[in-house]
Amino acid sequence: DAGVIQSPRHEVTEMGQEVTLRCKLISGHNSLFWYRQTMMRGLELLIYFNNNVPIDDSGMPEDRFSAKMPNASFSTLKIQPSEPRDSAVYFCASILPPGEGTEAFFGQGTRLTVV
Amino acid sequence: GIQVEQSPPDLILQEGANSTLRCNFSDSVNNLQWFHQNPWGQLINLFYIPSGTKQNGRLSATTVATERYSLLYISSSQTTDSGVYFCAAGGFAGSARQLTFGSGTQLTVLP
Repeated sequence: DAGVIQSPRHEVTEMGQEVTLRCKLISGHNSLFWYRQTMMRGLELLIYFNNNVPIDDSGMPEDRFSAKMPNASFSTLKIQPSEPRDSAVYFCASILPPGEGTEAFFGQGTRLTVV
Repeated sequence: GIQVEQSPPDLILQEGANSTLRCNFSDSVNNLQWFHQNPWGQLINLFYIPSGTKQNGRLSATTVATERYSLLYISSSQTTDSGVYFCAAGGFAGSARQLTFGSGTQLTVLP
């Protein structure tokens, strides 16, 4: 299995532009988390999906952020419009369905720089 | 939600030394994981250990769930062990499958 695949690995964009981050889950997993890592705040949970349904989005910082899970194996995180303070590394993690396990596996992350 | 505290925040070792990293959590857990973030930023799963003891080569981990702590042991450290070690915990109540991360231990192993 290729593991959790995120794209792009690096993204540099100008303030005000739309940014879309992508994540492909491990086969057989149907739960997904988006995390953001910054020096100031560490690793913080943004949103949690289970079986394509958002379960908890209380960590999404503001309306400029949106996430979708259109099918059981893929998710996107969109920032529109982007701001310099959104610069961070964004990770997604996938996990087995409820009742089958709780170990999370992380992708390699997307390093976002907004200038 | 669960609070996760790690200690020490920074640790510098000479190659070959042993070390113990600690993780305290504020509530009962059904998920406890240790990760190593390497210099390229990748989060590597080390242990999935909500309770008990596991060993993998020079690394081992113990979680005492009743006392709400976990320990990561690194023996005969190598320079490649450098990086940040994170503990992350998930509880039973509410959205229990989410992991809350500690602030990490920055480990530097000197040659």
